[in-house]
Amino acid sequence: DQQVKQNSPSLSVQEGRISILNCDYTNSMFDYFLWYKKYPAEGPTFLISISSIKDKNEDGRFTVFLNKSAKHLSLHIVPSQPGDSAVYFCAASGETSGSRLTFGEGTQLTVNP
Amino acid sequence: KAGVTQTPRYLIKTRGQQVTLSCSPISGHRSVSWYQQTPGQGLQFLFEYFSETQRNKGNFPGRFSGRQFSNSRSEMNVSTLELGDSALYLCASSSSFGANEKLFFGSGTQLSVL
Repeated sequence: DQQVKQNSPSLSVQEGRISILNCDYTNSMFDYFLWYKKYPAEGPTFLISISSIKDKNEDGRFTVFLNKSAKHLSLHIVPSQPGDSAVYFCAASGETSGSRLTFGEGTQLTVNP
Repeated sequence: KAGVTQTPRYLIKTRGQQVTLSCSPISGHRSVSWYQQTPGQGLQFLFEYFSETQRNKGNFPGRFSGRQFSNSRSEMNVSTLELGDSALYLCASSSSFGANEKLFFGSGTQLSVL
């Protein structure tokens, strides 16, 4: 039962353009969502988060949008840089799950120079 | 502040053996979680410890166990290893236990079972 899904295993964009990574969830108890970035041979690093009381959160080049009615969130990276090439994981948690995060399968982003 | 430290970085074992992985959280962090990452599977939650007590457990067989010490350091143990246990095992720490906590991950222990 995959409660958090990232349907695109990979995404390729040109440097300077926008990268849009998508994530869908099924559990309506989720109320906090995070994006992590992972380079090979390293652990995931926190990128940005959003609470369910908001529909948008911005941090520099990174913006996360949340559509609660559609149970969908997306991460926008503008402008994309070659150093952004990594695997991006969407994760979710709820009030009753403690600190436990439920992760999607990840999307490999490749930014071409 | 030092990050989450996991040892060893790489481990090769054979089927049937057991293994113990170690995790030192960020100083001051009291919650430690463990995740298993396999190709195409994302990160699967194993368990979470806070104040030396297991607070949450994922859907893994009893061969997977863990503990947390009074200094918040944690170990996880896998007994009777199977080929399918080959994975990257990630430890994460957070300052407290509860919703809306950001997890900080270590670099992981890559376990290969032959």
